[in-house]
Amino acid sequence: DTAVSQTPKYLVTQMGNDKSIKCEQNLGHDTMYWYKQDSKKFLKIMFSYNNKELIINETVPNRFSPKSPDKAHLNLHINSLELGDSAVYFCASSQEGSDMNTEAFFGQGTRLTVV
Amino acid sequence: AQSVSQHNHHVILSEAASLELGCNYSYGGTVNLFWYVQYPGQHLQLLLKYFSGDPLVKGIKGFEAEFIKSKFSFNLRKPSVQWSDTAEYFCAVNAFGNTGKLIFGQGTTLQVKP
Repeated sequence: DTAVSQTPKYLVTQMGNDKSIKCEQNLGHDTMYWYKQDSKKFLKIMFSYNNKELIINETVPNRFSPKSPDKAHLNLHINSLELGDSAVYFCASSQEGSDMNTEAFFGQGTRLTVV
Repeated sequence: AQSVSQHNHHVILSEAASLELGCNYSYGGTVNLFWYVQYPGQHLQLLLKYFSGDPLVKGIKGFEAEFIKSKFSFNLRKPSVQWSDTAEYFCAVNAFGNTGKLIFGQGTTLQVKP
């Protein structure tokens, strides 16, 4: 029973296309994230949603638009894909608490290749 | 700005050798510290974490890490590595007030030769 699941696992698409990556967590967490792992394996946060509200929006092109229909889902839509968007995108979730003892659980990643 | 630095980018060891991967962070406040592992083609898995208490924390698969507050360090250790430990290792920091946002180091590739 996968805790954080992403679909698709692989995505190959042409420049200029629009694509979406879906993420679902069954851990009952209230916060979800999108991280990008570049070709050098460097991981950086893109977005964070808490109870469907955007709370972190790092410097990301506005072609990237996260959507959280409910607190168990956080989808990532990307418009007008560019070559530089090729990366592995990881979804994660955690349960925020006042004592800050949070631990993030990650999905298996979506390898996006733009050609 | 907070940052995490991992000293070793690529480490090659023989089986049974001891491992120590360095991690330093820059942040003056309260932090939570993590080591994640990414096996080839797989997702990130938590190896161990430090929130508070005993600065020597033990994780899965025989790994441990020591938090040294005065040195802003959280080095990962394993006394005897196995071929199956070949993976990418990431140190991460979650600083108070950042609502769960993890700052990752650049990762260390560990290659264990059989």
